[in-house]
Parts: sequence; structure tokens; C-alpha cells
Amino acid sequence: KQEVTQIPAALSVPEGENLVLNCSFTDSAIYNLQWFRQDPGKGLTSLLLIQSSQREQTSGRLNASLDKSSGRSTLYIAASQPGDSATYLCAVLSGGYQKVTFGTGTKLQVIP
Amino acid sequence: EAQVTQNPRYLITVTGKKLTVTCSQNMNHEYMSWYRQDPGLGLRQIYYSMNVEVTDKGDVPEGYKVSRKEKRNFPLILESPSPNQTSLYFCASSSPTIDRGRLHEQYFGPGTRLTVT
Repeated sequence: KQEVTQIPAALSVPEGENLVLNCSFTDSAIYNLQWFRQDPGKGLTSLLLIQSSQREQTSGRLNASLDKSSGRSTLYIAASQPGDSATYLCAVLSGGYQKVTFGTGTKLQVIP
Repeated sequence: EAQVTQNPRYLITVTGKKLTVTCSQNMNHEYMSWYRQDPGLGLRQIYYSMNVEVTDKGDVPEGYKVSRKEKRNFPLILESPSPNQTSLYFCASSSPTIDRGRLHEQYFGPGTRLTVT
């Protein structure tokens, strides 16, 4: 059974810092990995999608990497801003294209 | 605009009163899923569907039913809701046939907050 872990569970940083969020998964036979952000009580906003054949994806200040063999992904946020404050979730697709397993998230607070 | 819609967005009901949460997508996606999100437990998959008339259980299917009679719609049915089904519910869709870079990218609806008293 796929298990997805996100560390740290919470993170507080001053504005302007570069930061790294971690996601690890137990079964390396994945099809893709997707990073989302979720604001309190709101829906999920897709940030980046990495296919299993890819090593990284970039969008603006965000960069996500994937190392399937070690079961790890990192989300790098450059020059953090207060508007980046949210919970960040990673989700792994495995098990025949229909099994999506989420981590429990990292709650990020960026202090002005 | 490509989107997944859910209705209602908020629902307060009483134990045992049957309810349906609708989900619809306009992207011609084959795959659709339902999730519930609870504090400390994260998002867990309830049911998924790979196409019309093809559905299967996820991790927490007890107390829920689904049907997929049309490609665009995937309603979630609670025949006899109980307080432990109070949660935030999300519907999602994806496709294995869109361009390679976006294979099985999950698109989520806005969520339905359900309270069962």
C-alpha cells in the first residue's frame, strides 16, 4: 500500500526566504506526482505535475523535483511571500492510474 | 473554461436522511474520483470511476454509493448519513488520453462541506 509522508508538518519563515518542502512515498512504481496548495477551508489549486519519466518541473518561483528511485520529491519555493502562506499537498498516482494517495500536507506561514 | 463543479457547496442535514452530492466535469475526462478530507487524516479516496458504468472502491467506501451513467457526471450518494460522515468532500477528474505532459493531471472541484447532525 502506497504511503505518502510530508515533512515538516508546519513551517514558519520570514518573507524572502527560499524554502524546501519534502514529500516521500513508499512505492516507487508511480505514474506521476502532483503538488497542490490549499488555503484554509478552500479547494485544491494545482501547482506542478511531474510525470514519472521527468526529473523536475518549474513554474515561476516554484520548482519541483522527482527522484523515483529514492521515493522523494521536493518543492522549492524561491523568495517566499506572505501570499504563499497555505497548506501544500503532494499526491502520488499509482496502482493502475486510478489510485491517488495524498500526503497530509505542510502548513506554511510566511511572515512579513 | 475547463472545470469540475460540485453541488451543493454547503449542506447541513440530519442522520439518516438520504442525500446526493453532484459532480460534473466539462473536459471529457474518463477518470473521476471522490475524496473526503478530515483534519489529521488528509484526503482519502472514497470511490473512483474509470469510465461510464465502471466504478470501484477507494480506501474509505463504507456508507457511500456512486454511479457513472454519463461520462461528465459522477454523483456521490449517502443513503443513510451518519455524523462520522461530516467532512469536506472533493470530486476530481483526469484523463489518460490528453497530451503526454498532462497525463492524469488531477482537476479538483471546489469542495462540498457536509455536516450531519
